[in-house]
Amino acid sequence: AQKVTQTQTSISVVEKTTVTMDCVYETRDSSYFLFWYKQTASGEIVFLIRQDSYKKENATVGHYSLNFQKPKSSIGLIITATQIEDSAVYFCAMREGSNNRIFFGDGTQLVVKP
Amino acid sequence: GALVYQYPRRTICKSGTSMRMECQAVGFQATSVAWYRQSPQKTFELIALSTVNSAIKYEQNFTQEKFPISHPNLSFSSMTVLNAYLEDRGLYLCGARDRGGWDQDTQYFGPGTRLLVL
Repeated sequence: AQKVTQTQTSISVVEKTTVTMDCVYETRDSSYFLFWYKQTASGEIVFLIRQDSYKKENATVGHYSLNFQKPKSSIGLIITATQIEDSAVYFCAMREGSNNRIFFGDGTQLVVKP
Repeated sequence: GALVYQYPRRTICKSGTSMRMECQAVGFQATSVAWYRQSPQKTFELIALSTVNSAIKYEQNFTQEKFPISHPNLSFSSMTVLNAYLEDRGLYLCGARDRGGWDQDTQYFGPGTRLLVL
């Protein structure tokens, strides 16, 4: 069965530090795609970064990067030099290559404090 | 860039009435559109997945009779909530998939339509 699990409900950090958010997934497909989204206080969901299962290199976009550990079915999101405006709920998601459906984790609330 | 618009952003309807929400993809071709409802606890419920030129697939607990969806072209989709009741309250999100290229195969979300039912 397909499943995405985010065990951290909430994380609080001081700005300008680095934070890592965990995510593990379950799939039987050999090809799949992993995504991280951010939902702001207004409700808007913003796509941040993706990792394709066949790529060995960890994806990096701006101050977001991924820690893709395929043997552990893990895709952690790393945010470096956090800013106040990074405060949001972060969702991990997975889509299998064999279908269009995306599975979401339950989200991790990130609070960045001054 | 890829943008997804949803309107209305917020709507209030009386119990038992219906309301229609729209989703528009700009800057890319939305070959598939997924409609979700997000609970107050932030959990995503997939309502249905619509792919152009294919049948719309509804998830368990959601039916075409209750949530009819139209996806007439690669930039537009709409969904109606028929006979809305309190349990239909929530944030309805449209996720449009950009299949412009292998590396662009990503789902982008609209800002959502928040439905309140009185």
